[in-house]
Amino acid sequence: AQTVTQSQPEMSVQEAETVTLSCTYDTSENNYYLFWYKQPPSRQMILVIRQEAYKQQNATENRFSVNFQKAAKSFSLKISDSQLGDTAMYFCAFGGVETSGSRLTFGEGTQLTVNP
Amino acid sequence: NAGVTQTPKFQVLKTGQSMTLQCAQDMNHEYMSWYRQDPGMGLRLIHYSVGAGITDQGEVPNGYNVSRSTTEDFPLRLLSAAPSQTSVYFCASKRIRDLYGYTFGSGTRLTVV
Repeated sequence: AQTVTQSQPEMSVQEAETVTLSCTYDTSENNYYLFWYKQPPSRQMILVIRQEAYKQQNATENRFSVNFQKAAKSFSLKISDSQLGDTAMYFCAFGGVETSGSRLTFGEGTQLTVNP
Repeated sequence: NAGVTQTPKFQVLKTGQSMTLQCAQDMNHEYMSWYRQDPGMGLRLIHYSVGAGITDQGEVPNGYNVSRSTTEDFPLRLLSAAPSQTSVYFCASKRIRDLYGYTFGSGTRLTVV
């Protein structure tokens, strides 16, 4: 079974600064996907970024980038130039290809607050 | 295009009552699933379906029933609500061929007193 751990329940950052959210996972699969989802106060689950395990290049989406360390099973999210609208709960999630049947396994979540 | 629609958005139940959480999608997604979100535990899979007439259990299925009579709808039934089922429930759907292209509903906040 897969596990996903987010060790930072809460984080805060000043507007325009950079913040990194941590995520570690455990799996025996070789091929899988990793995701970061954003959940603002509206409760909507929004996909922020997606990384395929067999791709060595780290994924980037505008101000959001990941540091994917496959051997260490680490998948951190860096938010650059933080904006007030980035305030949300962030979930790291794992999706296996070989055995998980499209199930997502989520971490506990990190509540990020961007301060003006 | 409505996407994934969940109703109701909020619900308060008494212990022992039954209710059905509704989920409907208009994207012809074959795969539909239910997750529950609890503080400090992230989202956990309750049940899922890969098509009409086919359902299977997820990580936390106890106390919940599902059925899939149409492609569009995937209701979640609580037969006898318990306080431990107080949670936020999300429905998510996707095309079978798209491994992880999920569309999530906006959630139902359920409180069991």
